[in-house]
Amino acid sequence: SQTIHQWPATLVQPVGSPLSLECTVEGTSNPNLYWYRQAAGRGLQLLFYSVGIGQISSEVPQNLSASRPQDRQFILSSKKLLLSDSGFYLCAWSVLAGVGTDTQYFGPGTRLTVL
Amino acid sequence: AQSVAQPEDQVNVAEGNPLTVKCTYSVSGNPYLFWYVQYPNRGLQFLLKYITGDNLVKGSYGFEAEFNKSQTSFHLKKPSALVSDSALYFCAVRDAGASSYKLIFGSGTRLLVRP
Repeated sequence: SQTIHQWPATLVQPVGSPLSLECTVEGTSNPNLYWYRQAAGRGLQLLFYSVGIGQISSEVPQNLSASRPQDRQFILSSKKLLLSDSGFYLCAWSVLAGVGTDTQYFGPGTRLTVL
Repeated sequence: AQSVAQPEDQVNVAEGNPLTVKCTYSVSGNPYLFWYVQYPNRGLQFLLKYITGDNLVKGSYGFEAEFNKSQTSFHLKKPSALVSDSALYFCAVRDAGASSYKLIFGSGTRLLVRP
């Protein structure tokens, strides 16, 4: 069965410091991968998605970047964090195996607080 | 443009009573529709989806949803609510004909089931 891991679970960082959040998926190959941010426990904002190694699509211009160095690894980064980067970051994966099969499955999330 | 509306910020129901969480959508083509649940400080869990076929979709934990094309709705229902159903619920849509796998999420509805 497939599992998705995110770490760290929580992170407190000062303004201006760098960021690296990691997401890995097990039990599937060539997944689509997604990074979302959830602010104030409500709506989800899609930040990046990837359909393959090195292929990253950015949804919202911002202080963040994403990379996919391996098939099942997705990394969210920042060179200098802003207060507004605080939030709950969720990684998700999906695999298209037929019509309508691309359900997204989410990881446990990382709570980021920028002080 | 695709969009999802969850008109209720919060739904309150007594344990044992039926519950309904509302969702309406807008897509240019045929919709793929999803419901997710989120418990505090956790990732989203997939509940059910409508792709095609029977308008009544059954999912996890006794939940079901009814697709209504004329009303562009996909309301989540459960015949008898449990206190443990208290959580944040998200509806999401994707245009079946779109080349992108991106989901559009609603703003979420908080369900509170009182004993």
